[in-house]
Amino acid sequence: DVKVTQSSRYLVKRTGEKVFLECVQDMDHENMFWYRQDPGLGLRLIYFSYDVKMKEKGDIPEGYSVSREKKERFSLILESASTNQTSMYLCASSFIRLQSSYNEQFFGPGTRLTVL
Amino acid sequence: TQLLEQSPQFLSIQEGENLTVYCNSSSVFSSLQWYRQEPGEGPVLLVTVVTGGEVKKLKRLTFQFGDARKDSSLHITAAQPGDTGLYLCAGGYNAGNMLTFGGGTRLMVKP
Repeated sequence: DVKVTQSSRYLVKRTGEKVFLECVQDMDHENMFWYRQDPGLGLRLIYFSYDVKMKEKGDIPEGYSVSREKKERFSLILESASTNQTSMYLCASSFIRLQSSYNEQFFGPGTRLTVL
Repeated sequence: TQLLEQSPQFLSIQEGENLTVYCNSSSVFSSLQWYRQEPGEGPVLLVTVVTGGEVKKLKRLTFQFGDARKDSSLHITAAQPGDTGLYLCAGGYNAGNMLTFGGGTRLMVKP
């Protein structure tokens, strides 16, 4: 059974704290993604990675950084958390496709982060 | 950024009713996926459509990709309480490695 796991389901942090969100996949996927999900806005891409140590900015990278030291693990870092980063954070992974028109992303259960 | 507009945002219906959810864009996508998300879980893929005009059926769910590959619809026949959830459409680009998500339709089916 394919699996994407995230380190915490719920997290409460204070403004200015450094926050680490961890994601691990066991499917040997090349691609990994971090999204945030807010009501009515769907999923917005923060960062993605297509290989170890490779990262690309998504649509809303400001205030976030990422790290991918191992293929199975992708970390999202909030250097100095702010209240507007309160959200649901979803990690996803997929195989890399070069000659296809579609691809399936597998999602973790999400981390609901509250910044006070 | 390519945008996908989903409508309606919310839908509350009685068991047995039919419904249609729409997903529209001004951009052309290589594929269109529909995901369903239940509370406390991540989205799970329901279907992928890749050809303009394509129709796919999954039991009581019918998915259609527009002829120009810019829009899609999800029709549910005789909705059941188990269909309750958040439905997300996602347009694929970059050989489908990247997805743009719509805002979602939150469906509640009352018994």
